[in-house]
Amino acid sequence: DQQVKQNSPSLSVQEGRISILNCDYTNSMFDYFLWYKKYPAEGPTFLISISSIKDKNEDGRFTVFLNKSAKHLSLHIVPSQPGDSAVYFCAASGNTDKLIFGTGTRLQVFP
Amino acid sequence: DTGVSQDPRHKITKRGQNVTFRCDPISEHNRLYWYRQTLGQGPEFLTYFQNEAQLEKSRLLSDRFSAERPKGSFSTLEIQRTEQGDSAMYLCASSLTNWDTQYFGPGTRLTVL
Repeated sequence: DQQVKQNSPSLSVQEGRISILNCDYTNSMFDYFLWYKKYPAEGPTFLISISSIKDKNEDGRFTVFLNKSAKHLSLHIVPSQPGDSAVYFCAASGNTDKLIFGTGTRLQVFP
Repeated sequence: DTGVSQDPRHKITKRGQNVTFRCDPISEHNRLYWYRQTLGQGPEFLTYFQNEAQLEKSRLLSDRFSAERPKGSFSTLEIQRTEQGDSAMYLCASSLTNWDTQYFGPGTRLTVL
């Protein structure tokens, strides 16, 4: 039972363009959502989060959008840079603070 | 103090052996979490601590797994009688308190031969 889903295993974007990574969830009890970036042989690095009382949160080049009615969130990276190439994980938490992760999307930003 | 540290970074062991991993959280972080990540999957929750108290354990944590945080600072995760299915990246994270952002360490990659 995959409660957090990232249906695109990979995404390729040209440098300078927008990257949009998507995430869907099924558990309506989730009220806090996060995005992590992971490089090979390293642990996940926190990027940005959003609580269910908001529908948008922005931090520099990164913006997360939450659509509660659709149980969908997305991460926008503008402009994309080669250093953004990594695996991106969506995560959610609800009545406990343990995180439930998606399976990840591998982003490749090419020149 | 720059972040969560884990030791060792890599461990290769033979099936049936016991292994122990250590995690040092960010200083003053009360919460400490263990996750496991296998190839092609996201991290999966194993257990977490509030100071020295273990608050929740996943069904993934069989009786061969035990975790401790004896003084509310570092934590250890022991796997007894390792099996090939235990091969994974074991990740530790910490947060200042509940509902705060969890910061992850670099992980310990376990290979069971």
